[in-house]
Amino acid sequence: EAEVAQSPRYKITEKSQAVAFWCDPISGHATLYWYRQILGQGPELLVQFQDESVVDDSQLPKDRFSAERLKGVDSTLKIQPAELGDSAMYLCASSLKPPAGGTEAFFGQGTRLTVV
Amino acid sequence: GENVEQHPSTLSVQEGDSAVIKCTYSDSASNYFPWYKQELGKGPQLIIDIRSNVGEKKDQRIAVTLNKTAKHFSLHITETQPEDSAVYFCAASPGNQFYFGTGTSLTVIP
Repeated sequence: EAEVAQSPRYKITEKSQAVAFWCDPISGHATLYWYRQILGQGPELLVQFQDESVVDDSQLPKDRFSAERLKGVDSTLKIQPAELGDSAMYLCASSLKPPAGGTEAFFGQGTRLTVV
Repeated sequence: GENVEQHPSTLSVQEGDSAVIKCTYSDSASNYFPWYKQELGKGPQLIIDIRSNVGEKKDQRIAVTLNKTAKHFSLHITETQPEDSAVYFCAASPGNQFYFGTGTSLTVIP
């Protein structure tokens, strides 16, 4: 069964350091999402790609976060510098098409980030 | 933007009983409503979804109902089993992105 792959599963970093997360969506999925999930809350969208283009990054803290999907396949989310408040689960999801019309989105296992 | 509210935040049921989780949404343009199950330390898993042209959908022990007029939808789990214990999230999509509820922690007591 096709899955969304994420790495690493866990990451501990010191504040002010740089950290990067990688996501490989399900093959053929044009839409890729990065979500942040704080413990006890639902996922919140950080950035959404359609192929290699960003379609929504309104909730991405652009002073420290960046995301890219250069070839429209896998994607990297970077934080520099990391802050204590960035500790959370970072989830990647993908869907065959954009959400319009109701397209299922499938999540990866996530990267648990702890900033110390 | 869309606002999704989910209740209850925690739910405990005896094995074999039914569990119901309710969500409301604010944007009448929302037309797709997925439900996800998240086990500890894992990513959310899509378990069932419903589109706005359907009032009810069932898949074995899981069912979802949608009332577009009242802007609410519900997840029903019958004959609950210990492996149903997890956090459940509802979501709504008006077509641009997915908006999630705050989650319901379900515990099924053997």
